[in-house]
Amino acid sequence: AQSVTQLDSQVPVFEEAPVELRCNYSSSVSVYLFWYVQYPNQGLQLLLKYLSGSTLVESINGFEAEFNKSQTSFHLRKPSVHISDTAEYFCAVPNTGNQFYFGTGTSLTVIP
Amino acid sequence: ETGVTQSPTHLIKTRGQQVTLRCSSQSGHNTVSWYQQALGQGPQFIFQYYREEENGRGNFPPRFSGLQFPNYSSELNVNALELDDSALYLCASSPGGAEDTEAFFGQGTRLTVV
Repeated sequence: AQSVTQLDSQVPVFEEAPVELRCNYSSSVSVYLFWYVQYPNQGLQLLLKYLSGSTLVESINGFEAEFNKSQTSFHLRKPSVHISDTAEYFCAVPNTGNQFYFGTGTSLTVIP
Repeated sequence: ETGVTQSPTHLIKTRGQQVTLRCSSQSGHNTVSWYQQALGQGPQFIFQYYREEENGRGNFPPRFSGLQFPNYSSELNVNALELDDSALYLCASSPGGAEDTEAFFGQGTRLTVV
């Protein structure tokens, strides 16, 4: 079975500062990796995903993640965060089909 | 196109009771998955339905059951509710169940068992 581990449960960061949310995966086969975001009192939304090809993937709102096979990581980064980025972020890997295994989440709080 | 909608948004039940949660999948999606998200945790996969058939199940007891209808909407039923069943229940739909396919989530049903 595939799994992911999110190393930080809470990450406070000042507005306009850079941020990195860490995710490590465990898989013995080719892996697809996803980052989902959950804003307060809402469901999950896809932020970005790695399927194949370029190891650097980007989202439309400035986040990026790099697939690193040697370090089994898929860390999420943003060079300058905004107040509106305050949310819970989940790393996920599909098991059978798109039946996702989610990490425990990282709560990002952007401080004005 | 409409997104994934879930009802009700909030629900309070007593231990031992039964509950039914409903989900309307996004237009064109034939696959529905259900997840349980306990407070402060990541979502945990309960089961998935593809074209009205169960297509995989997570580590949940049989008192968690489901159904998918011909229009691809779905229900999650939980019998003999326990206090630990209190959680946000999320429904996700997708156009098929391939592992590279994004799941589109509803806003969830917050279930409180007292």
